[in-house]
Amino acid sequence: NFMLTQPHSVSESPGRTVTISCTRSSGSIASNYVQWYQQRPGSSPTTVIYEDNLRHSGVPDRFSGSVDRSSNSASLTISGLKTEDEADYYCQSYDSSIRVFGGGTKLTVL
Amino acid sequence: EVQLVQSGAEVKKPGESLRISCKGSGYSFTSYWINWVRQMPGKGLEWMGRIDPSDSYTNYSPSFQGHVTISADKSISTAYLQWSSLRASDTAMYYCARSLTGAAARWGQGTLVTVSS
Repeated sequence: NFMLTQPHSVSESPGRTVTISCTRSSGSIASNYVQWYQQRPGSSPTTVIYEDNLRHSGVPDRFSGSVDRSSNSASLTISGLKTEDEADYYCQSYDSSIRVFGGGTKLTVL
Repeated sequence: EVQLVQSGAEVKKPGESLRISCKGSGYSFTSYWINWVRQMPGKGLEWMGRIDPSDSYTNYSPSFQGHVTISADKSISTAYLQWSSLRASDTAMYYCARSLTGAAARWGQGTLVTVSS
């Protein structure tokens, strides 16, 4: 099975842009779709991006997803950061019947 | 409205058995897989396994295979996660999630399981 590696934490100021990476350990990142979930403290996860780059219903266009075959990684980019974006973000993908989550990235907006 | 409603928090002793539930509503329950996800205190999300409610076919993560059982009763639109012998290390929040691909993903509110002697 493969692993998805994310930075443990990132921080950025309000109004700026931040990118969170998600690197697949084996197999091509492009072989299976990547999803991104946001989890605020004390809440269930919610979908931000699905199928690599599609925004879930209600998610503002400040959020975008992409995949880079050369680095075998996916990225979540949040522009025009707001304090409400402060949360944990998880990437997730799959291989055949197995689903895998990244370790999560804590985004601090300060 | 699509909803996944999970059963309430549980406090158990090591060695006891437990079954928690996840009831789907607002959609055709047999049309989407139900996944179970563990989140230990202060830690990340871990995929445990999933079930196709239409025929109860299951897949498990190797990390959880043999320790938990996932089942479903499509007649009442409910999926279950079950332990026959709990360990202290099973203390965690458990989420059910409808589909982890595409736009259909929806999450339950979580069930907190505490295992302590």
